Amino acid sequence: KNEVEQSPQNLTAQEGEFITINCSYSVGISALHWLQQHPGGGIVSLFMLSSGKKKHGRLIATINIQEKHSSLHITASHPRDSAVYICAVRQRGSQGNLIFGKGTKLSVKP
Amino acid sequence: KAGVTQTPRYLIKTRGQQVTLSCSPISGHRSVSWYQQTPGQGLQFLFEYFSETQRNKGNFPGRFSGRQFSNSRSEMNVSTLELGDSALYLCASSLERLAAETQYFGPGTRLLVL
Repeated sequence: KNEVEQSPQNLTAQEGEFITINCSYSVGISALHWLQQHPGGGIVSLFMLSSGKKKHGRLIATINIQEKHSSLHITASHPRDSAVYICAVRQRGSQGNLIFGKGTKLSVKP
Repeated sequence: KAGVTQTPRYLIKTRGQQVTLSCSPISGHRSVSWYQQTPGQGLQFLFEYFSETQRNKGNFPGRFSGRQFSNSRSEMNVSTLELGDSALYLCASSLERLAAETQYFGPGTRLLVL
């Protein structure tokens, strides 16, 4: 079993829909990251969370440390949101190793 | 500020050769981390350099090595290339140790081993 599991693996939405991507992990962590990877490979770091909730524009990330679960929400989705979204956790005590989920491929149709 | 740059962007090598990839971090950033991304394994952590010292290493064989220079630029080297080393190699920089910081990723070097 992977230490970081994401769901769904693939997601197709219509423009304007509210989107949720989930991440569950099985290890103790010091932080959780959400990354966005566009076709071509470039990765952008969206959020780094250790507790609670963060918001940036139409993106919201939440984390529940007790449940070992995080969600990434996209409100009013747009075709330019189409990308792979990757959850990564920084394992507590590992001096900073990041463990990555397999990613969720999101396609937003106009 | 200029972003993280990686050179070369694309590379084709044959089995048994060695390769050196370069990463220039954002000006002022002292931490550089390297990652390998393959379709099968996804993203995997290779190593982190901070102040010219390797601070952490992922689960990769000794054929994978790296170094960091006094200007924070970093290189990674893969010796005796294998077909399975074909991947996108990404570096990322941050101001301080990556454990406490958001990272900024470069565009990657796509390596094909024939």
